[in-house]
Amino acid sequence: DAKTTQPNSMESNEEEPVHLPCNHSTISGTDYIHWYRQLPSQGPEYVIHGLTSNVNNRMASLAIAEDRKSSTLILHRATLRDAAVYYCILSPDGGNQFYFGTGTSLTVIP
Amino acid sequence: EAGVAQSPRYKIIEKRQSVAFWCNPISGHATLYWYQQILGQGPKLLIQFQNNGVVDDSQLPKDRFSAERLKGVDSTLKIQPAKLEDSAVYLCASSLTGGPYEQYFGPGTRLTVT
Repeated sequence: DAKTTQPNSMESNEEEPVHLPCNHSTISGTDYIHWYRQLPSQGPEYVIHGLTSNVNNRMASLAIAEDRKSSTLILHRATLRDAAVYYCILSPDGGNQFYFGTGTSLTVIP
Repeated sequence: EAGVAQSPRYKIIEKRQSVAFWCNPISGHATLYWYQQILGQGPKLLIQFQNNGVVDDSQLPKDRFSAERLKGVDSTLKIQPAKLEDSAVYLCASSLTGGPYEQYFGPGTRLTVT
């Protein structure tokens, strides 16, 4: 299983940008990088995914290092509703088999 | 668009009893997943179906867990007999097939084994 490493927890002030890092040094050339988040008492929800190039959507941006051994999820302005556990996941060979780690618990301070 | 439906939402059973969970995926999603999430951990993939065939069940404890997806739509996950360590949230997800597509998760079933 492709492994990812994330900090256990992070804090951010409300309305400030948040950069959530993820290391995946054993990534292979065809592994996609996915980010999901899980709010309390809910199932995970999709945030963003990418392969090589940086990606933007209405929720967040994904910055992928040139060697693809790390990536960063960027929330441009954190809100209290962004408090959740954020998971960085690799899917082998572009498929959809996800192996979740323990994720980063984000606390947003008002 | 209706999301992934799961039932029941909560279940309490005694060890050695049996339990079954039901999942109805998003219409048109050929791929269905069952995950187990123990408190404080990330979800763990138990089994993945494409239509009614199994794609991956390498992490399913087959001595006590079973799953089926008849007619390629709804799915059930069964535990028989349950152990204390099976206490967890059981999440169902679905997606389009071919990857890498977004997985849509249901609300989960919280199982407590006493």
